[in-house]
Formats: sequence, C-alpha cells, structure tokens
Amino acid sequence: KAGVTQTPRYLIKTRGQQVTLSCSPISGHRSVSWYQQTPGQGLQFLFEYFSETQRNKGNFPGRFSGRQFSNSRSEMNVSTLELGDSALYLCASSWRDRGRETQYFGPGTRLLVL
Amino acid sequence: GDSVTQMEGPVTLSEEAFLTINCTYTATGYPSLFWYVQYPGEGLQLLLKATKADDKGSNKGFEATYRKETTSFHLEKGSVQVSDSAVYFCALSDRGGADGLTFGKGTHLIIQP
Repeated sequence: KAGVTQTPRYLIKTRGQQVTLSCSPISGHRSVSWYQQTPGQGLQFLFEYFSETQRNKGNFPGRFSGRQFSNSRSEMNVSTLELGDSALYLCASSWRDRGRETQYFGPGTRLLVL
Repeated sequence: GDSVTQMEGPVTLSEEAFLTINCTYTATGYPSLFWYVQYPGEGLQLLLKATKADDKGSNKGFEATYRKETTSFHLEKGSVQVSDSAVYFCALSDRGGADGLTFGKGTHLIIQP
C-alpha cells in the first residue's frame, strides 16, 4: 500500500507571496493532519481535516488555511508569506478521526521563504 | 496544556551500547503515547506506540512501557547499530486528538562504529 505523498518536496518563495502544498493520504484513510516543523519551535500541529471538514485547529494565524477533497486529498495554503514560515511542513493521515489512531507521516514539503 | 519533555542531545553512543531516551509527559486526559523516528531529509516514521497504562510497545528491538504513575514512556534498545542514528520524537495524543499530536523537541542520536 502506498504511503502518504506530499508535493512538491521543495519550494522557494519570497515574502508576501502565497503557497499551496498538497497531500495524498494512504488509501482508505479519511483523516489528514498538517504539522509545521522548525528548529526553534519543533513540531507544531496546524489543523486536521476529516470528511472534508476541519475538525481541529492549532494555534496558527488565519494566513494558514486548508481544505480536503472528497477523495481525502488535502491542500494547505499559506498567504502573505513571512520569513518565519520557512519550515518543513508534514502531512499525516489516519483511518478515523479519533486521536488514538496512529498517524502516518509523509516525507514533507520543505518551504524556504526569502 | 499537554506537554512532552525529552532530552535533546545529541546523544552519542558506540555500536552495541544500551540505549535509553527518557520521555515524560503532562496531559489532562488519558493519552496514547508514541515514539517516532526521523532520518535525515525524511518525514516521521512510527516506531512504536502504547494506548494504556502498563502497555509495552516494541518494534525493531526498541521498547517503551507506558508508566502512568511516573507519567513516562522511556525508549530503550539493548544493542544499538549505526543505522539507528536519527532523531527520535516522543509524542502524545490526548482528548481524542483535538490538539493533534503533541511532540517533544526530539533527541538526536548518533551511533559511532
């Protein structure tokens, strides 16, 4: 069974631009979560989608948004990029929307904001 | 709020040494506990998990026991290999996953031949 895939793997943007990242979950998984990983803050939860609805949200500004499609694929959008948005963005999928389900991570998208 | 504390390292060991990475947590509910591993340039891979007190998770020679009385989930391996060099993250999921996974800062493990 194919794992979680994320595209693109690398991105370079400039301040003020916007960016869209994509995540395809493991087949059959309906929950997709997004995390930001930086050297300073570590791994932080952005949001979770289940059946096309945002169920949970971390403590990030409104510039960070996402959506999920009927095939469970998810996109994350960051508008008005700031230098501090440079990070590795990880997507994780799980079977159901319950916290005790194991989350399986993709390889991440590394975003560099100049 | 919930939190996870683990040594950050780097932790440097010789091949075949015994490994312990400490992890303690604070949670409002009754969390599930996880260890993830991240190799350079890659995402996170689940190493093992435990969902209730006294459960022992194990995989690839690694073990960790859910200790509710000490709020700990220490990772151990009897004999490490160079290929175990990576960053190890302890994590918890609480309140039905409402806040996603809460991670520790990660422990960078270096195994020397």
